[in-house]
Amino acid sequence: AQSVTQPDIHITVSEGASLELRCNYSYGATPYLFWYVQSPGQGLQLLLKYFSGDTLVQGIKGFEAEFKRSQSSFNLRKPSVHWSDAAEYFCAGLSGGYNKLIFGAGTRLAVHP
Amino acid sequence: SQTIHQWPATLVQPVGSPLSLECTVEGTSNPNLYWYRQAAGRGLQLLFYSVGIGQISSEVPQNLSASRPQDRQFILSSKKLLLSDSGFYLCAWSRDVNTEAFFGQGTRLTVV
Repeated sequence: AQSVTQPDIHITVSEGASLELRCNYSYGATPYLFWYVQSPGQGLQLLLKYFSGDTLVQGIKGFEAEFKRSQSSFNLRKPSVHWSDAAEYFCAGLSGGYNKLIFGAGTRLAVHP
Repeated sequence: SQTIHQWPATLVQPVGSPLSLECTVEGTSNPNLYWYRQAAGRGLQLLFYSVGIGQISSEVPQNLSASRPQDRQFILSSKKLLLSDSGFYLCAWSRDVNTEAFFGQGTRLTVV
């Protein structure tokens, strides 16, 4: 069965430090992959998406993610975190022929000043 | 541009009462529509999706139902709420079956 796993439930980083949030997927074929961000009490905002082509994708707010087929991973990165990046981040996958997103459990990011 | 509206933002309902949450999309036609539920500290679970008027698919057996009376309107309902129905409900839309989804701001439902 398709699944998306985010191994880290909670991560804390200092402002200005680099960030990497992990995401692993299990799909029969290469899925379409997404990263969303959710501020408390709010809906989800799309950060970036991967459909095909270049394995390094750029998103909004200075985020990027790299698709690695050999590791079944799609990790989210940011070179320098800002306090406003504190939120919950969700990785999601969509397999061709299906019309539903499968979400990971989310990673809550805290940023220390 | 497309926008998605979801209301109410917050709702407190007694056990056994009915529920109606509404979601509308503007700026697009024939969207795919979705209802997700997010329980505290957990990820998102797809409840229903619709690819057209009157076409509803349910992902999990539950106390809820969905309807799509108009192209850009999606309603989540219950005849009698349970305590376990509490959660954060999110409506979303997508242009096609294999594209990203865009989410509304959510409804926080507390059943007491």
